[in-house]
Amino acid sequence: GENVEQHPSTLSVQEGDSAVIKCTYSDSASNYFPWYKQELGKRPQLIIDIRSNVGEKKDQRIAVTLNKTAKHFSLHITETQPEDSAVYFCAASINFNKFYFGSGTKLNVKP
Amino acid sequence: NAGVTQTPKFQVLKTGQSMTLQCAQDMNHEYMSWYRQDPGMGLRLIHYSVGAGITDQGEVPNGYNVSRSTTEDFPLRLLSAAPSQTSVYFCASRVDPNSNQPQHFGDGTRLSIL
Repeated sequence: GENVEQHPSTLSVQEGDSAVIKCTYSDSASNYFPWYKQELGKRPQLIIDIRSNVGEKKDQRIAVTLNKTAKHFSLHITETQPEDSAVYFCAASINFNKFYFGSGTKLNVKP
Repeated sequence: NAGVTQTPKFQVLKTGQSMTLQCAQDMNHEYMSWYRQDPGMGLRLIHYSVGAGITDQGEVPNGYNVSRSTTEDFPLRLLSAAPSQTSVYFCASRVDPNSNQPQHFGDGTRLSIL
């Protein structure tokens, strides 16, 4: 099956700095890559996603890039704010049915 | 709309007991799924369903059963609870199994097996 690896496991940045979280996947058939934010004790929430026919997608301060050749994708958060502090998960899916998640990155934004 | 409702929110079981985690959605979503989340780890897919009467195994199906007799409900059954099944369980639904519409997650069920 698919294997998704996520790095780093923890990331601490100063408010206003950028944060980058990277994921790799093993199955070249994966074609959909969502990112989730999970606050402590809460449910995961989708923040951005990308399909395999797109190289980059942006939504305000959040962007995702995908390199199909290298089988990796990244989440970029610019101008970080304290409310961005949470655990972020990447995931990979083949045709939107089975989703395989990374192990998560705990982002701490220091005021 | 209530969204995705999971019951119970917390449960403690003894090894060998069985129980059913309930999941219901009122959004007429075709796709529903169950995940478990262990401390410090991502979500792992247990079972999923692309419509009423159709279920399939995910990444970690052993020890769990599911059924989908209606569009709204997708219960998860633990057949004989084991300490290794201590986890937080999330149910999720999505409108269409073949699209990238977002998954809506429930609030989770925190399950401890003693």
